[in-house]
Amino acid sequence: AQKVTQAQTEISVVEKEDVTLDCVYETRDTTYYLFWYKQPPSGELVFLIRRNSFDEQNEISGRYSWNFQKSTSSFNFTITASQVVDSAVYFCALSEMNRDDKIIFGKGTRLHILP
Amino acid sequence: DGGITQSPKYLFRKEGQNVTLSCEQNLNHDAMYWYRQDPGQGLRLIYYSQIVNDFQKGDIAEGYSVSREKKESFPLTVTSAQKNPTAFYLCASTVAGAYNEQFFGPGTRLTVL
Repeated sequence: AQKVTQAQTEISVVEKEDVTLDCVYETRDTTYYLFWYKQPPSGELVFLIRRNSFDEQNEISGRYSWNFQKSTSSFNFTITASQVVDSAVYFCALSEMNRDDKIIFGKGTRLHILP
Repeated sequence: DGGITQSPKYLFRKEGQNVTLSCEQNLNHDAMYWYRQDPGQGLRLIYYSQIVNDFQKGDIAEGYSVSREKKESFPLTVTSAQKNPTAFYLCASTVAGAYNEQFFGPGTRLTVL
């Protein structure tokens, strides 16, 4: 069973629009961590956020915000007032206890911001 | 500057040849990982190591081998037994046992001719 599902394979929006990237995860652990990474065209993954399972507060960092809801096992990512530089592949990921620090990645969502 | 380096950035290999991808980190991280990325597949774990002289298979280890003789280095060999080696390979590292984020290198794009 897929543990991290990013149902949106590809999204295109016009610059300055808001866009939300969905992430649904599956785990039996009560302690776990969730991550979002950005992969620009250069290829290197850039870490965006880490959230532990006991902290359901929403997080905002500039134009980026994250909504963590344990009730629906979701950890969605919203970009407000999108810019062309936001064009990238975004990965949601999960780390469970006692798994040798392994991170399970979703398949990613490719985001196109159109000028 | 602390970080992870991977070399080369682009690599071409003839079918039937082994090739070794380099990964070096100066972050003093214990754990290191190798991932393979194919279009639409996300990242799949090949091998990982949490301590020098020890490593474990990931989800797709067949046709690959690794070594961890030094804390800073975790080279990956793509052997001729790997059926479809053309892919983008990413190396990562992290502090072991802390659920920390993994830091990634710039990747190596391997093409088999």
